[in-house]
Amino acid sequence: DAGVTQSPTHLIKTRGQQVTLRCSPKSGHDTVSWYQQALGQGPQFIFQYYEEEERQRGNFPDRFSGHQFPNYSSELNVNALLLGDSALYLCASSLMARRGYTFGSGTRLTVV
Amino acid sequence: GESVGLHLPTLSVQEGDNSIINCAYSNSASDYFIWYKQESGKGPQFIIDIRSNMDKRQGQRVTVLLNKTVKHLSLQIAATQPGDSAVYFCAEKKENQAGTALIFGKGTTLSVSS
Repeated sequence: DAGVTQSPTHLIKTRGQQVTLRCSPKSGHDTVSWYQQALGQGPQFIFQYYEEEERQRGNFPDRFSGHQFPNYSSELNVNALLLGDSALYLCASSLMARRGYTFGSGTRLTVV
Repeated sequence: GESVGLHLPTLSVQEGDNSIINCAYSNSASDYFIWYKQESGKGPQFIIDIRSNMDKRQGQRVTVLLNKTVKHLSLQIAATQPGDSAVYFCAEKKENQAGTALIFGKGTTLSVSS
């Protein structure tokens, strides 16, 4: 049973560029949440997708957007990249209204 | 404001000792907490959770204690092993009608020496 799969594992982008990160949830899960983890910090909630809609959003600017597909997979898009966007981006899947979250290993984004 | 934080950024113990990692929270309405372990290069891994209607919950070698009076929870690891070396986070689950979110603290790095 595959867990949460994220791609790519590492990525280097230039300031001002746009990036798309991908996540496939754990089998049987229907909800995907994205988190940003800066070096030495705890993960910060970006947003949550369920039934292809954004359900919850953390304190992140509109440059951060997402999408969920009918097969429950999800994308995180970040426009106009800043140096401060450099972080580990984590995807977590779950069943809506259930307690358990499963995290992927993340995508390490470096903005230069 | 609402926050979940840990008391100490690092904890060093000897193999076989018991470890205690602490976490304080500020939202008295919080009703569900989770402890995660994060190893280098990996995502957070679920360890144990507890609801606010409980004071204590035990798992395999781990115990979580919740003190709602002082808004404090702790993770106790018995007979700590080198494989327990990692960063430990407490997280609060926030729910509303729209959805849920996990609010993480900054983490405690546990180093186990043999």
